[in-house]
Amino acid sequence: DGGITQSPKYLFRKEGQNVTLSCEQNLNHDAMYWYRQDPGQGLRLIYYSQIVNDFQKGDIAEGYSVSREKKESFPLTVTSAQKNPTAFYLCASSPQAGSYEQYFGPGTRLTVT
Amino acid sequence: GNSVTQMEGPVTLSEEAFLTINCTYTATGYPSLFWYVQYPGEGLQLLLKATKADDKGSNKGFEATYRKETTSFHLEKGSVQVSDSAVYFCALSYLNTNAGKSTFGDGTTLTVKP
Repeated sequence: DGGITQSPKYLFRKEGQNVTLSCEQNLNHDAMYWYRQDPGQGLRLIYYSQIVNDFQKGDIAEGYSVSREKKESFPLTVTSAQKNPTAFYLCASSPQAGSYEQYFGPGTRLTVT
Repeated sequence: GNSVTQMEGPVTLSEEAFLTINCTYTATGYPSLFWYVQYPGEGLQLLLKATKADDKGSNKGFEATYRKETTSFHLEKGSVQVSDSAVYFCALSYLNTNAGKSTFGDGTTLTVKP
């Protein structure tokens, strides 16, 4: 079945460590997105990519980095510069930039202590 | 800029009750409008959408009508079930512009009790 996978489901790290969250899609979608969701709040856009080897900052990019070396993969690195990294991270994709709806992965819950 | 405002939750209903979750938006032009649903511990799933004024989106007994005159896209269901308990997000985006970015509301938590 086609879809978006995020791994792992739960991730624990010590403060000061960088951590990379995986996002893979086999939907052949051009555009991919990373969101952060905090308890009781909506989604905030971290980074997005419209095509391979290109990406743009979203609303809260500070302390995060991404790469888009392959169409199907869009990993997110949470660096030690991110002040409050504990959150639920959602990856999404859409068939093309400017397409209507987004397809979401199951999310990764990151806890940093 | 664009914004989406949703009815504040949480909303608690008994099974078979009528559901309305209000959503209004601020945007220029003609955005497409969406409702997404998020079950506990999962990602969001598209519930329904409408792409132009007066369109009605519907799915799984849920409906929403794109009202440009009131800039609204309220979600309704005639008879909710316990399995409808989830967080519901209203969103907008534009076709072929703005890099496909969506603007989401803050979400409304619905709990349905037996």
